[in-house]
Amino acid sequence: NAGVTQTPKFRILKIGQSMTLQCAQDMNHNYMYWYRQDPGMGLKLIYYSVGAGITDKGEVPNGYNVSRSTTEDFPLRLELAAPSQTSVYFCASSADAEAFFGQGTRLTVV
Amino acid sequence: GQNIDQPTEMTATEGAIVQINCTYQTSGFNGLFWYQQHAGEAPTFLSYNVLDGLEEKGRFSSFLSRSKGYSYLLLKELQMKDSASYLCAVRDNGNTGKLIFGQGTTLQVKP
Repeated sequence: NAGVTQTPKFRILKIGQSMTLQCAQDMNHNYMYWYRQDPGMGLKLIYYSVGAGITDKGEVPNGYNVSRSTTEDFPLRLELAAPSQTSVYFCASSADAEAFFGQGTRLTVV
Repeated sequence: GQNIDQPTEMTATEGAIVQINCTYQTSGFNGLFWYQQHAGEAPTFLSYNVLDGLEEKGRFSSFLSRSKGYSYLLLKELQMKDSASYLCAVRDNGNTGKLIFGQGTTLQVKP
C-alpha cells in the first residue's frame, strides 16, 4: 500500500532557486494538505485542496504555490527559495476522517 | 480564525497515566484529532472525536467537550516507546476540510 508518497526526501537549495515538492496519494482522497514543521514546533498549514481544481491558502502561504490538476497529485512550488523556508514539509490526504501523512521532505536553503 | 493550545512539554513515569490537554477556539468545528509523532518521523493518527464524550482505543482515550472547546488525550500504562510529541488538530466545518494543528506536546517517559 503506497498511501501518500512525497519526493524528494531531502534537498538542499541555494537562495533564489526554485523547486517543486511532489506529493501523490493512491487512496482517492478529496482533501490534500501541505504543512511545514520547524524544529520543535507543530505543523503549520501552507495550502490545502478539497478536490481537483480547487485550492486555498492556509496559515502560512507566502512564498509557495500549489496546483491540483488531478485527484492524486498535489505539488508544492517554491519560486524563490529563502533561508526562512528551511523546514520539514509534510503532505497529507484525507477522505472524511483522519489524515494520512507522507514521510516528509527535509529542505535546507543555504 | 483558529487558536489551538497545548502544553509544550510533559514528563511522566513508565507505568503511570498521563493526560494531555488541548483547548481550542475556532470559527467552525467538524472534529478533533490526536496524532503521535516520534522524532524524525511523520505524524500517525491516534484518535478522532466529533461528538462530546470519551473515545477509548486500548491504552489511549480521548475526550471532547465542544461547549468548553476542550479535549484531552489520556495515555495509560505508559511505556518508554510513548515518548513522542502529541499533536491536537481541529477540522473546520463545512466542506473546507481545513485541518489546523496545535504546537504539539512533547512527552518524555522516564523509567
